[in-house]
Amino acid sequence: QSVLTQPPSASGTPGQRVTISCSGSNSNIGTNSVNWYQQLPGTAPKLLIYTNNQRPSGVPDRFSGSKSGTSASLAISGLQSGDEADYYCVAWDDSLNGDWVFGGGTKLTVL
Amino acid sequence: QLVESGGGLVQPGGSLRLSCAASGFTLSGYWMHWVRQAPGKGLVYVSRINGDGTTTSYADSVKGRFTISRDNAENTLYLQMNSLRAEDTAVYYCAREQWLAKGRSWFDPWGQGTLVTVSS
Repeated sequence: QSVLTQPPSASGTPGQRVTISCSGSNSNIGTNSVNWYQQLPGTAPKLLIYTNNQRPSGVPDRFSGSKSGTSASLAISGLQSGDEADYYCVAWDDSLNGDWVFGGGTKLTVL
Repeated sequence: QLVESGGGLVQPGGSLRLSCAASGFTLSGYWMHWVRQAPGKGLVYVSRINGDGTTTSYADSVKGRFTISRDNAENTLYLQMNSLRAEDTAVYYCAREQWLAKGRSWFDPWGQGTLVTVSS
């Protein structure tokens, strides 16, 4: 059971816009920033969005992130077949001694 | 860049030491982390260590069995894994933490991962 809640799957057709949600609590998303990672099949996770809405260099502006209260979202516009991957949200949690918490991951399928 | 090594097949109750060699940056300036992924499953946080190795933390599932350490002179991070169980079977990734402010940090880059299989 992951601390951050993501839908297990999402799908869209090429060119479409899809969003992936990530729900947490006051001690994690409500207080700290959210990061998103993309994991293409058979590869290591790669940073996609950091501090809620910042894109590392090289990440297309088709990818965007947002946060409101204790929830965050990843939006992908102009969906491409190469976007088919698992997506994870991650945040720092201030409860107890503090720890990093992960979402369970969302498998994005491009139909 | 981060490159992991040391994975392999080990019997239940056995030990392995994973290494994560850093290049292109000085390890000592960063918190470093281990994250694992069981076959077909999601990412799970394992452990972290601060820049000078004086502060560590572990997930409850590995506490008392795994030890994270670092050799800043060799620019290498380690994970000593003892009393291994079948449920420890996973790809293990190391990652560097980039820190901007409290509550505003992220993992980048990640290593390519090393597979640990615990089976008789």
